[in-house]
Amino acid sequence: AQKVTQAQTEISVVEKEDVTLDCVYETRDTTYYLFWYKQPPSGELVFLIRRNSFDEQNEISGRYSWNFQKSTSSFNFTITASQVVDSAVYFCALSELGGGSQGNLIFGKGTKLSVKP
Amino acid sequence: DSGVTQTPKHLITATGQRVTLRCSPRSGDLSVYWYQQSLDQGLQFLIQYYNGEERAKGNILERFSAQQFPDLHSELNLSSLELGDSALYFCASSVGGQVLMGGYTFGSGTRLTVV
Repeated sequence: AQKVTQAQTEISVVEKEDVTLDCVYETRDTTYYLFWYKQPPSGELVFLIRRNSFDEQNEISGRYSWNFQKSTSSFNFTITASQVVDSAVYFCALSELGGGSQGNLIFGKGTKLSVKP
Repeated sequence: DSGVTQTPKHLITATGQRVTLRCSPRSGDLSVYWYQQSLDQGLQFLIQYYNGEERAKGNILERFSAQQFPDLHSELNLSSLELGDSALYFCASSVGGQVLMGGYTFGSGTRLTVV
């Protein structure tokens, strides 16, 4: 069965530190999508990235970067030079496209990131 | 603004009552997904509708039901409410039946408190 594990429940860093949020997933499908969402204290879910299973190229967007490794079933997220505004809960999610799945997301439990000034 | 509209933003009700949560998908999106976020269970998929028809079911209780109307808005009905139903309920929409076919956008959620 599909599963997403975010082993880090809470992380606390000081501003300007780099921080990596881990995500490990389980799936039997060869075709799937992986996502990261940010949930700030206001509660909404903010889309950060979507990556399909055929694209292992790492991605960088400003201070954010993602490392996708199929060999270890991991999709880790790094924030470089963290800022107080990065404080939020971050969710990794998986969506399968086979076996009758219709695109619903399976979320990890989330990692609460606190960035202190 | 994500384009997905959920109402109301907050709801407080008593145990045993029934409530209806409403979701208007982003313009052009045919698929609506409902999710529940609770402290115990985290973010869980409840149910999906595509162009008016139920497409997939997740961990949705029998006391809960949903529908999607011809104008594509969706309603999630929660009945015989229990304290444990207190949660943040999210709606998401996408163009097609699968997330492959475009974006997957979440609304800002409805916070339900059962007292």
